Amino acid sequence: QVQLQESGPGLVKPSQTLSLTCTVSGGSISSGSYYWSWIRQPAGKGLEWIGRIYTSGSTNYNPSLKSRVTISVDTSKNQFSLKLSSVTAADTAVYYCARGTMIVVVGAEGDYFDYWGQGTLVTVSS
Amino acid sequence: QSALTQPASVSGSPGQSITISCTGTSSDVGSYNLVSWYQQHPGKAPKLMIYEGSKRPSGVSNRFSGSKSGNTASLTISGLQAEDEADYYCCSYAGSSTFYVFGTGTKVTVL
Repeated sequence: QVQLQESGPGLVKPSQTLSLTCTVSGGSISSGSYYWSWIRQPAGKGLEWIGRIYTSGSTNYNPSLKSRVTISVDTSKNQFSLKLSSVTAADTAVYYCARGTMIVVVGAEGDYFDYWGQGTLVTVSS
Repeated sequence: QSALTQPASVSGSPGQSITISCTGTSSDVGSYNLVSWYQQHPGKAPKLMIYEGSKRPSGVSNRFSGSKSGNTASLTISGLQAEDEADYYCCSYAGSSTFYVFGTGTKVTVL
């Protein structure tokens, strides 16, 4: 059974960089056709996809966050990470990591999020 | 890219069927058969309920079903049970520039 666990600071100051790590257990992050995504949810609001990484290192980002986001993978530690720079109060949210199982349909290659971490609350405040 | 539009709330009595709509555009829901649905109980992580529009993962009750017509996807819950009370989100692939857009979310209440 695959499990994901987010870790990182729960409080970040405005203008600084938010850094989170997701540790994957129960399977190798390198095996299979999977993307590894970050998704966030402000309190009382909906979900927002931040970006994803393939184990080859290939990344895709939400255009609205692209200039501030970096996602990386460390296959030796079975982890992938999120960095979000120049944070403001609007970046306060529960951050989830998730596994995306790749599917190919006519005209597109996508994934669906079948395993999620429990989520970690990050508050941006001075 | 705007969020997909879902009704804020849907309610039903135990045993009844309810349907949650998810309206997008020809750039997302209408273009790809890549809609997924997630159930989220308070304080918990989302759980995958439907993928590729109508497929159920192993372990998900067959009371949950998905469909799509044009730019609108739908999730139907039949034989509504108390445990189905939760928030539900749709998600669609939206092309190789935007990638993924989620719905606004629907709160399901079992009366």
